[in-house]
Amino acid sequence: QVQLQESGPGLVKPSQTLSLTCTVSGGSISSGDYYWNWIRQPPGKGLEWIGYIYYSGSTYNNPSLKSRVTISVDTSKNQFSLRLNSVTAADTAIYYCARGGFRCGGTCYPDAFDIWGQGTMVTVSS
Amino acid sequence: QSVLTQPPSVSAAPGQRVTISCSGSSSNIGDNYVSWYQQLPGTAPKLLIYDINKRPSGISDRFSGSKSGTSATLGITGLQTGDEADYYCGTWDLSLSVVVFGGGTKLTVL
Repeated sequence: QVQLQESGPGLVKPSQTLSLTCTVSGGSISSGDYYWNWIRQPPGKGLEWIGYIYYSGSTYNNPSLKSRVTISVDTSKNQFSLRLNSVTAADTAIYYCARGGFRCGGTCYPDAFDIWGQGTMVTVSS
Repeated sequence: QSVLTQPPSVSAAPGQRVTISCSGSSSNIGDNYVSWYQQLPGTAPKLLIYDINKRPSGISDRFSGSKSGTSATLGITGLQTGDEADYYCGTWDLSLSVVVFGGGTKLTVL
């Protein structure tokens, strides 16, 4: 079955860039049926959706994170990645990658997240 | 402050039934499908319910979902100690153009 696994540094200094990769196994990221998402959870708090990427490279991010977020995909490696720049302590969280469906009306938007990675803790501290 | 409002905690005895509410607005729950997630301690969230009331393969029929107007409800019957977890609702908000989640509800099985 499809599995997702996050990887990347667990400690990032303030003002620097957080970089994480999600490796998809057991299925192809190039399936046109899914969006590939990043979601985070600060310690002891709730879930915050960061953004998604489609295998074609089209992407959309949470407006609250403004232009700090870049999500990219490497179909040859069956991976997608997250870059979050200018990090502060408020970006300390468990970061999850997740597969999700999507719905299309006038535009398309993410639907339920059916497969999640185990999550990786990222601490922003000097 | 979450866009979707859930009670911080609920509790019930083993074998009983519990419901968890998720209140939103016309721009999210009122005009879209809701999903529910279970997060056991120290683990990633798991999809329990999608499209308001559908269960993924492998999810027990003890879990159910419903929606009325701008609110959604997760129901759990035959409570077990293994159901102790945090539960989150989520959906797309058409006005904010973002996925929104509830703040989470901690279920305690007494």
